[in-house]
Amino acid sequence: KNEVEQSPQNLTAQEGEFITINCSYSVGISALHWLQQHPGGGIVSLFMLSSGKKKHGRLIATINIQEKHSSLHITASHPRDSAVYICAGTSGNTPLVFGKGTRLSVIA
Amino acid sequence: EAQVTQNPRYLITVTGKKLTVTCSQNMNHEYMSWYRQDPGLGLRQIYYSMNVEVTDKGDVPEGYKVSRKEKRNFPLILESPSPNQTSLYFCASSLRLAPLGEQFFGPGTRLTVL
Repeated sequence: KNEVEQSPQNLTAQEGEFITINCSYSVGISALHWLQQHPGGGIVSLFMLSSGKKKHGRLIATINIQEKHSSLHITASHPRDSAVYICAGTSGNTPLVFGKGTRLSVIA
Repeated sequence: EAQVTQNPRYLITVTGKKLTVTCSQNMNHEYMSWYRQDPGLGLRQIYYSMNVEVTDKGDVPEGYKVSRKEKRNFPLILESPSPNQTSLYFCASSLRLAPLGEQFFGPGTRLTVL
């Protein structure tokens, strides 16, 4: 069974810092999602990637399929980035398997 | 506006009283799924549906039922709710099966079973 591990579980940063959240998985996957869960509970999809790197604004996601690892980077962090970030992987037609999330707090 | 809606958003009920949480999407998505989120356990899939009349169990299906009679709707049914089903529930949809499709989540339903 695929296990998805995220690190760190909790992260506190000062505004402006560069942030990295890591996600690793135990078996091969074909795609990995990064999600953001706001303090109010809503969940938004940030990225879906199967190789390489994607960038959207200050967010960058990378994946290395061979090493079974993905990272989410936030440049010039801001208090509004405070949220729980969740990665989820799947192989072929299997349902998503979620990591437990990384709680990020960015302090002004 | 493209969206996934869930109702109700909050529900407090008692053990054994049947309830239904509705989920509807207006994006003509094929794939829909239900998740529950519990502290320390993260999101776990309850059921999913790849198209009309096609449903399958996820990781934690016990105590739940679903149906997919129309493409846009995917209700979650708790025939006899129990306190261990107290949780935050999310419905999600994507154009294609999850590996290939961006996930769109509903706003969540916070359920308390007394």
